[in-house]
Amino acid sequence: DGGITQSPKYLFRKEGQNVTLSCEQNLNHDAMYWYRQDPGQGLRLIYYSQIVNDFQKGDIAEGYSVSREKKESFPLTVTSAQKNPTAFYLCASIEGDGLRVRGYTFGSGTRLTVV
Amino acid sequence: GESVGLHLPTLSVQEGDNSIINCAYSNSASDYFIWYKQESGKGPQFIIDIRSNMDKRQGQRVTVLLNKTVKHLSLQIAATQPGDSAVYFCAENRDTGNQFYFGTGTSLTVIP
Repeated sequence: DGGITQSPKYLFRKEGQNVTLSCEQNLNHDAMYWYRQDPGQGLRLIYYSQIVNDFQKGDIAEGYSVSREKKESFPLTVTSAQKNPTAFYLCASIEGDGLRVRGYTFGSGTRLTVV
Repeated sequence: GESVGLHLPTLSVQEGDNSIINCAYSNSASDYFIWYKQESGKGPQFIIDIRSNMDKRQGQRVTVLLNKTVKHLSLQIAATQPGDSAVYFCAENRDTGNQFYFGTGTSLTVIP
């Protein structure tokens, strides 16, 4: 079955460490997105990529980095510069011009906790 | 019952009753809207969408109403079932934009 796989499901990080969240899709979708979700808040866009080797900052990119070396993969690195990284992270994708046709397909998320 | 989705309010309904979840969107230029359902520990799932040239759209047990004058969106769920318990988000998009903007969500609990 096609879909988006995020791993790990739970991740614990010590303060001062960088961690990388994995997002892989086999939907052949062109665009991929990373969102952050905090309790009581809506989803906020971190980064997005519409084609391979290109990506743009979202509304809350500070302290994060991404790469898009392959169409299927869009890993997110949470750096030590991110002051409040504990959150639920969601990866999403869209096929071609499908943003306005049923919106995103989401992965099942990674819950990151700083210990 | 009904609720406004700006501060993750909660809504509790009896099984079999109808639910109404509300959302106030921010940008008058937004012209495409989606309702998502998110179950605990999972990613959001598409429920229904509506474009600004429509006031109402119906799906299976769900109806979305759009009032552009007051920038208000609502999701009606008929005969609410325990499996409907989740957080519901509205999301808005503008034709010139390449992302969706999400509301804070409403937590729906169905009481058996």
